[in-house]
Amino acid sequence: DAEITQSPRHKITETGRQVTLACHQTWNHNNMFWYRQDLGHGLRLIHYSYGVQDTNKGEVSDGYSVSRSNTEDLPLTLESAASSQTSVYFCASSDTGELTDTQYFGPGTRLTVL
Amino acid sequence: RKEVEQDPGPFNVPEGATVAFNCTYSNSASQSFFWYRQDCRKEPKLLMSVYSSGNEDGRFTAQLNRASQYISLLIRDSKLSDSATYLCVVNRGPRDSSYKLIFGSGTRLLVRP
Repeated sequence: DAEITQSPRHKITETGRQVTLACHQTWNHNNMFWYRQDLGHGLRLIHYSYGVQDTNKGEVSDGYSVSRSNTEDLPLTLESAASSQTSVYFCASSDTGELTDTQYFGPGTRLTVL
Repeated sequence: RKEVEQDPGPFNVPEGATVAFNCTYSNSASQSFFWYRQDCRKEPKLLMSVYSSGNEDGRFTAQLNRASQYISLLIRDSKLSDSATYLCVVNRGPRDSSYKLIFGSGTRLLVRP
């Protein structure tokens, strides 16, 4: 079955370190998204991509970067981790077209920055 | 003002009760509307899409009022397993120009025995 996976599921790191969170989907969806979820804020969009080599900033992109070298993967990099980036990170994907823009989510990565 | 507003709850109801959640959105260009369900510490999962004519899926009924920019979810005969957070979700504009979705902060439902 097609799916979307994230790794690692849990990560503890130190302030200042570079961290990369992986997201892999097998639906062949063109659109991929990274969100963070914190208490009181709901899901906030970090970066998104509408296809290979396409990346765009979301509403909370500072301190994060993404790259899209193939359809299946959209890794999220924290250039220099900060305690404010402690959060749960969700990756999602959706198909392209007018019939649907439903997003399907990965299981999440719980990141703690000490 | 938030783009998608929901009452955070929690709604605490007994098994078998009927409960309704409401949501308002501010972007009149939104064309797609959804309810997602999120269990504690898990990923959001699509519960149902919401269509202009209203739609039903078993015990769940969703309604859309475009004129008032208002979406509702009705759950009949609540089960313990319905306990979760329900997210109201709208898209940011025409589907062919933006695939971004806007998520409400969610309404928490607790169903007690």
